[in-house]
Amino acid sequence: NAGVTQTPKFQVLKTGQSMTLQCAQDMNHEYMSWYRQDPGMGLRLIHYSVGAGITDQGEVPNGYNVSRSTTEDFPLRLLSAAPSQTSVYFCASTPIDRGPTDTQYFGPGTRLTVL
Amino acid sequence: GQQLNQSPQSMFIQEGEDVSMNCTSSSIFNTWLWYKQDPGEGPVLLIALYKAGELTSNGRLTAQFGITRKDSFLNISASIPSDVGIYFCAGKGGGTSYGKLTFGQGTILTVHP
Repeated sequence: NAGVTQTPKFQVLKTGQSMTLQCAQDMNHEYMSWYRQDPGMGLRLIHYSVGAGITDQGEVPNGYNVSRSTTEDFPLRLLSAAPSQTSVYFCASTPIDRGPTDTQYFGPGTRLTVL
Repeated sequence: GQQLNQSPQSMFIQEGEDVSMNCTSSSIFNTWLWYKQDPGEGPVLLIALYKAGELTSNGRLTAQFGITRKDSFLNISASIPSDVGIYFCAGKGGGTSYGKLTFGQGTILTVHP
């Protein structure tokens, strides 16, 4: 298994540009989520999905869109990039077994700079 | 929303020393998790705690789920240089929150040889 993969690893955008951060997992996990990591603030949840066709907002959803057309993929779209979206973005996936073993597996991250 | 306060924010220690960090919450959690993040990588799970009062070890790491379900601590004994990194606590509620986690701000650990 490749686990959770994210592309690109680095990206520089100009203010107002749009782009999509890709996330894929090959573990057949139902739950996937996107976090952003900023210095001194830990990881904050942007959007999450409990299965194909189902998405919901997290703590900081403004400026981001997601879709979940397949179990494997969960792309994050920036509609009109702003400097405040400069951050490191992590995708994570979790099997939903309603038990104690719902470990979240994180991807390696995408480092985004908006000029 | 739920808030997690993690302390200390950073620690500078000598190799061989013990380390202790903790997280407190304004809300009850059903699961406490401790992650470590190496530079340029995503967080990796170290220890998971599922019951109030639970004490769990993973090698030199020991973590406890507080009795009130609003706090947790992580101890690292006999630190070594590869312990360097950012340590995060995370809490998960019950019900339909599934994998939805709330993270602490992180503790940056530096170990001097």
